[in-house]
Amino acid sequence: AAGVIQSPRHLIKEKRETATLKCYPIPRHDTVYWYQQGPGQDPQFLISFYEKMQSDKGSIPDRFSAQQFSDYHSELNMSSLELGDSALYFCASSAGLAGGLLYNEQFFGPGTRLTVL
Amino acid sequence: SQQGEEDPQALSIQEGENATMNCSYKTSINNLQWYRQNSGRGLVHLILIRSNEREKHSGRLRVTLDTSKKSSSLLITASRAADTASYFCATDKSGYGGSQGNLIFGKGTKLSVKP
Repeated sequence: AAGVIQSPRHLIKEKRETATLKCYPIPRHDTVYWYQQGPGQDPQFLISFYEKMQSDKGSIPDRFSAQQFSDYHSELNMSSLELGDSALYFCASSAGLAGGLLYNEQFFGPGTRLTVL
Repeated sequence: SQQGEEDPQALSIQEGENATMNCSYKTSINNLQWYRQNSGRGLVHLILIRSNEREKHSGRLRVTLDTSKKSSSLLITASRAADTASYFCATDKSGYGGSQGNLIFGKGTKLSVKP
């Protein structure tokens, strides 16, 4: 079965550079969530999209922005990178919102490991 | 504030034994989900239990939910070395306080199953 695809899998950037992470949800999933997991930490919700509109926002820095495109893929744009941005970035998709939220099983991609030097 | 707290933080058992991990949370939820994560890898969805359910089974996994105590447990029976991973509970507060389905994760339990 098709899973969530994330690219790139690994990314190394310098401080103050920008990075773009991509997420391709499971086919027919209309909702995308982004999470950040620091070393030894639990994942923290950043932002979500439903039908190409932002549906919820968590602890996402103002330096980050994201969008969902017409083909439902999503991109997380990160600017002015800081050392503390080094983390695993996960994208998850679900058919939850269309299914009434009770069925909001979220399936995660393999993550993008971002290292900021 | 942290929604989920898990205990124990670390658990070491022998192959064949059962492993029980607990999760407590603070607010009303729509559902609770358990995930497994191998070191530095992706999160694998294990099971979802809805707020109106009390127990759910999937293979060697058994999950319980007690909404009156705001707690859940994950039982892995007849553990195998391949079960070694971190296990996270995650709560979905959809419908409460405007939440649109984002998950709030607990700190996780590191399970080590020795051959």
